[in-house]
Amino acid sequence: GENVEQHPSTLSVQEGDSAVIKCTYSDSASNYFPWYKQELGKGPQLIIDIRSNVGEKKDQRIAVTLNKTAKHFSLHITETQPEDSAVYFCAARAKFSGGYNKLIFGAGTRLAVHP
Amino acid sequence: GAVVSQHPSRVICKSGTSVKIECRSLDFQATTMFWYRQFPKKSLMLMATSNEGSKATYEQGVEKDKFLINHASLTLSTLTVTSAHPEDSSFYICSARPGTEAYEQYFGPGTRLTVT
Repeated sequence: GENVEQHPSTLSVQEGDSAVIKCTYSDSASNYFPWYKQELGKGPQLIIDIRSNVGEKKDQRIAVTLNKTAKHFSLHITETQPEDSAVYFCAARAKFSGGYNKLIFGAGTRLAVHP
Repeated sequence: GAVVSQHPSRVICKSGTSVKIECRSLDFQATTMFWYRQFPKKSLMLMATSNEGSKATYEQGVEKDKFLINHASLTLSTLTVTSAHPEDSSFYICSARPGTEAYEQYFGPGTRLTVT
């Protein structure tokens, strides 16, 4: 089955710097890769996603890149701000028997942006 | 758009009682809803997938008689934790997908359950 690994587990940056979080997946059939931001005590918020037919997607200060050959995808946050501090989860959508699909999540990255 | 709500946000119940958590998609119809459990500083663990009008599909190791899921309409799914015990204390989060062909999945704000 699909397995998603996420690195690093914690990331500390200075305000204004860039942050990069990387994930690898194992199932080459996975075709959708969302990123979620979770603040303390809240549910995950979808911040950006990418499908397997696209190599890069950008939305203001955040971008996601996908390398299907290497089976890895990354989240890039530029000009980080203290409000970017949160836990970030990557996920891959995999298909299972019976025709249903589900998201497999990485372990999460705790990002701290220091003023 | 794509708002998912949960109620209650926090609940405390006594051991042996049952508690129901509601999950609603507010501005879209969700043919598929998911229930997750999250332990402190851990990732999301899928408990079950439910499709409107049919039985939920439970993940391995999740007791279906303990965690009853009902997806009676396209905007409402409920999770009932029956005969709750302290080890059931956790953060429960629902998620909804707008349509069978949709890729996106949106999460609710979560429910903090404490069993005393």
